[in-house]
Amino acid sequence: AQSVTQPDIHITVSEGASLELRCNYSYGATPYLFWYVQSPGQGLQLLLKYFSGDTLVQGIKGFEAEFKRSQSSFNLRKPSVHWSDAAEYFCAVGLMNTGFQKLVFGTGTRLLVSP
Amino acid sequence: ETGVTQTPRHLVMGMTNKKSLKCEQHLGHNAMYWYKQSAKKPLELMFVYNFKEQTENNSVPSRFSPECPNSSHLFLHLHTLQPEDSALYLCASSQDPLGGSSYNEQFFGPGTRLTVL
Repeated sequence: AQSVTQPDIHITVSEGASLELRCNYSYGATPYLFWYVQSPGQGLQLLLKYFSGDTLVQGIKGFEAEFKRSQSSFNLRKPSVHWSDAAEYFCAVGLMNTGFQKLVFGTGTRLLVSP
Repeated sequence: ETGVTQTPRHLVMGMTNKKSLKCEQHLGHNAMYWYKQSAKKPLELMFVYNFKEQTENNSVPSRFSPECPNSSHLFLHLHTLQPEDSALYLCASSQDPLGGSSYNEQFFGPGTRLTVL
C-alpha cells in the first residue's frame, strides 16, 4: 500500500542554520510529491511539488526539495531558517488511477526554531 | 472572501448533539474534500466530491454525513459523535483534471477544531 514516512517527529534548529526534513515514500508508480506547511491554527499551505523533470524543485519561502528515486526520498531543505518557519511540515504523495486526486500524507514533522 | 473558508472555527458538542460544519471555496474548483487531523496521526481523507457527486467514502462511520449541494459548498453533518472524534476537520478543494495527466494542488481551509464531550 502507498505510504509516506517522516521519521522525525520534532526537529529543533537554530535561527540562521540550515534545515533538512526527511520524507520517504512507498509507491509503485512515478510519484507526484508535495510538501505542505501548517502554522498553528491554520490550514495547510503548499510549499512545493514534484511531478517530473528536474529533480530539484524550488518552492515558496526559500524552500527546495530533491527527489531521489533510488532512495524513494523527497527531502525538504532550506539554507537558512527564520523564526517564522516554526510550523509543522507534511510530506504527501499524490495517487493516480483512483478516479480522483488523492493525497496520502505523512505524520508530519514539527519544526522548532531556537534563537 | 478568498480561498477556502470554514465555519465554525471551533465547536464543542455533547455526544447527543447534532451539528454541521460548513466549507465554502471561492476558487471555482470542481472537487472538494473532508479530512480529519488527529494528534500524532496522518491526515485522514474522509470524503471526496467531484462535480457534486461523492466519489469516495473512506470507511467513515455513519455518524458523519457529508452534503455537497453545489461545487462551492460542502457540509459535514455530525450526530451522536464519540469523544475520539475530537480532532481538527479540514476542508480542501482542487481542480480535478479527471483522468488528465496533471495533478493539481489542493487548497486547504483553516479547519474546524471539534471537541466532543
